[in-house]
Amino acid sequence: GNSVTQMEGPVTLSEEAFLTINCTYTATGYPSLFWYVQYPGEGLQLLLKATKADDKGSNKGFEATYRKETTSFHLEKGSVQVSDSAVYFCALSDTQPGNQFYFGTGTSLTVIP
Amino acid sequence: GAGVSQSPSNKVTEKGKDVELRCDPISGHTALYWYRQSLGQGLEFLIYFQGNSAPDKSGLPSDRFSAERTGGSVSTLTIQRTQQEDSAVYLCASSLTGTSGFNEQFFGPGTRLTVL
Repeated sequence: GNSVTQMEGPVTLSEEAFLTINCTYTATGYPSLFWYVQYPGEGLQLLLKATKADDKGSNKGFEATYRKETTSFHLEKGSVQVSDSAVYFCALSDTQPGNQFYFGTGTSLTVIP
Repeated sequence: GAGVSQSPSNKVTEKGKDVELRCDPISGHTALYWYRQSLGQGLEFLIYFQGNSAPDKSGLPSDRFSAERTGGSVSTLTIQRTQQEDSAVYLCASSLTGTSGFNEQFFGPGTRLTVL
């Protein structure tokens, strides 16, 4: 079956530190991979996505590369800001009809000045 | 354009009462999803609608939960005889189509349900 395993938090970093949030997946087909972000008091919104192996998604300084050989989609940012404090969800969508999304449990990130 | 909207934003109810949660998806989006987010937990899939097809109800936790989608647009999630463990944020999302894995889901702000 399909599943997503995400690094457990919470994660606390100082401003300008390097961020990695690990995400690995199990899929029966050829999924698309996503990172969603939930800022305090707001709804989930798409941060970035990658639709095939070796694709790199990027947005707002965040990057993640679709690694089929390691079934991973780790989220990285070189220099975090206080405004990046949020909960980050890794997700996959199977390409089989149905477009079912599978979400990780979320990783809470707090960036301190 | 307008995003996904949900109502009410907050709902407090007594144990044993029925509640209805509403979702208005983005116009033209054929796929609609309901999730539940409990405190400190990830997103739990509940139900999925795609066009006029029979919904995927595989995530509903019990027969107290049901959902409808009228006219391929607005959806209502109903929880009968609410229990305290039903307390959570209920999220609705829609996407342009459910037949491809490439389509982003757009989430509503959620309804926070508290069962006393």
